[in-house]
Amino acid sequence: AQSVTQPDIHITVSEGASLELRCNYSYGATPYLFWYVQSPGQGLQLLLKYFSGDTLVQGIKGFEAEFKRSQSSFNLRKPSVHWSDAAEYFCATGGFKTIFGAGTRLFVKA
Amino acid sequence: EPEVTQTPSHQVTQMGQEVILRCVPISNHLYFYWYRQILGQKVEFLVSFYNNEISEKSEIFDDQFSVERPDGSNFTLKIRSTKLEDSAMYFCASSAPRMTGNTEAFFGQGTRLTVV
Repeated sequence: AQSVTQPDIHITVSEGASLELRCNYSYGATPYLFWYVQSPGQGLQLLLKYFSGDTLVQGIKGFEAEFKRSQSSFNLRKPSVHWSDAAEYFCATGGFKTIFGAGTRLFVKA
Repeated sequence: EPEVTQTPSHQVTQMGQEVILRCVPISNHLYFYWYRQILGQKVEFLVSFYNNEISEKSEIFDDQFSVERPDGSNFTLKIRSTKLEDSAMYFCASSAPRMTGNTEAFFGQGTRLTVV
């Protein structure tokens, strides 16, 4: 069965610093992979997705993610974090249903 | 751009009451889903629906839950006798999956259900 693991429950980053959120997936074939962001009390916003092809995927809000089959990873990155990026981030994989990781809460300090 | 629409955005109900959460999926999609997110927790799969029947359900989706596609556009989740622990954000989603087994689901903005 497909699954995703986000090993970090929360991460704190200084504003302007770089960010990397980790995600590992479990799936035999090439998975569909997604990153969503959720602000408190709000819905899910799709940041980016990977289906096939170029393993470096660009998303909205300056985010990117890299699919690494050898490491079963799909880590989310941003070169310079803004205070407004503070939120919960979910990695997900799409089989016949979408399976979400537990989420990583990002805190941004001034 | 087509989107999944959920109503209401917030619902407060008394324990023991029945609630119906409504969703309008994207019009050419064939698979429909409900997910639940208890405050501060992960998004959990409840049920998938295809060809007018449940295709898969989780252990959370017990006898108090039911889904229906009453017409060509709406997809509803009914909770028969709400409990305090049903308080959560409920997300509807729809997709048009490929035969590879991979799919991209499009999510609505959610209905926040509060049971008092």
